[in-house]
Amino acid sequence: EDKVVQSPLSLVVHEGDTVTLNCSYEVTNFRSLLWYKQEKKAPTFLFMLTSSGIEKKSGRLSSILDKKELFSILNITATQTGDSAVYLCAGRSQGNLIFGKGTKLSVKP
Amino acid sequence: DTAVSQTPKYLVTQMGNDKSIKCEQNLGHDTMYWYKQDSKKFLKIMFSYNNKELIINETVPNRFSPKSPDKAHLNLHINSLELGDSAVYFCASSRYEGIRQETQYFGPGTRLLVL
Repeated sequence: EDKVVQSPLSLVVHEGDTVTLNCSYEVTNFRSLLWYKQEKKAPTFLFMLTSSGIEKKSGRLSSILDKKELFSILNITATQTGDSAVYLCAGRSQGNLIFGKGTKLSVKP
Repeated sequence: DTAVSQTPKYLVTQMGNDKSIKCEQNLGHDTMYWYKQDSKKFLKIMFSYNNKELIINETVPNRFSPKSPDKAHLNLHINSLELGDSAVYFCASSRYEGIRQETQYFGPGTRLLVL
């Protein structure tokens, strides 16, 4: 059965800290891995990763995929209170998207 | 302009009723999806439609039925609502995947509460 496991389930840090969120996956006919940020509304797209070892960056956020070890990490540097959200990882096969349960990140002032 | 829109935003109804949630996308995408997010914030895919064909159905009860009048719309009909149907339902769309890999864009969600 396809599954995506994220860790930790929740995380509390202080502003300025750097955090690493983990995602491991077992997805049949794997195509790509996606990261989303969800606050009080719909998930918003962060990254889509298809190739191993190529880091994608967007401001203070970055992510990388390891297709051999079947995991991905999402890094956030110099965290801000606005980064507080649930971060969702999803593995994609053809026509299907399998979500993990998310990591709830709380950034304290 | 909103890329993926859903109506209504909130829906409160009694058990046993039949209700519909509408979804529209103006991105020109070929594939649309419905997700259910439960109280634990876990997202689970329910349906996806590509060019008016149902391509996956994740063992969802047959009380739930997607209806796609055209490529830009995928509505979700729910018959005989049950308490356990209470959740947030998200619509999403993407280009048809094929050999390409496309991301999904989500609507704002519809919060359904069954009393």
